[in-house]
Amino acid sequence: EDQVTQSPEALRLQEGESSSLNCSYTVSGLRGLFWYRQDPGKGPEFLFTLYSAGEEKEKERLKATLTKKESFLHITAPKPEDSATYLCAVRAAGGTSYGKLTFGQGTILTVHP
Amino acid sequence: EAQVTQNPRYLITVTGKKLTVTCSQNMNHEYMSWYRQDPGLGLRQIYYSMNVEVTDKGDVPEGYKVSRKEKRNFPLILESPSPNQTSLYFCATYDRMNTEAFFGQGTRLTVV
Repeated sequence: EDQVTQSPEALRLQEGESSSLNCSYTVSGLRGLFWYRQDPGKGPEFLFTLYSAGEEKEKERLKATLTKKESFLHITAPKPEDSATYLCAVRAAGGTSYGKLTFGQGTILTVHP
Repeated sequence: EAQVTQNPRYLITVTGKKLTVTCSQNMNHEYMSWYRQDPGLGLRQIYYSMNVEVTDKGDVPEGYKVSRKEKRNFPLILESPSPNQTSLYFCATYDRMNTEAFFGQGTRLTVV
């Protein structure tokens, strides 16, 4: 069974204080690891897709990295508008679950001015 | 503009009264899926569809039905809603296995 565990559950930062969010996963053949941002009462918004170990992607203050067992979302010099819940999800390579995304429970990020 | 549209956005209903939540997409995506989101449990997949007339169960399908008669629409049906189906529901679409999913804005359902 595919599993995704995110840590920490909640993270409070001061504006400008860099940090990282973790996503550990167990999947029978990774077809893609996805990061999403979710604001309260809204649908998840896509950030990154990573496919293989060693891959990195960046967008503004965010950088996502991938190893064979986990992914990190690094936030450099965050601003209050980066406050949101960050979700990690995996898609398995095959079998009967190939249409399925498995999500972690998310990390609630709060950035104080 | 790429859109995934869910209706209604908010719904309060009574136990046992059949309801349908609609989902429509304008991106010609093959794959569509329904999720529910609950505090402490995260997003869990209810059903998904790989194409017209092809659907399969996700992790929590009990109490739900779906149909995919047209490529753009994927309604979620609750034949006899119960209070434990009170949740925030999201529809998602994607065009190939490796691409990201696009989510609707959500439907907040309360069953009393």
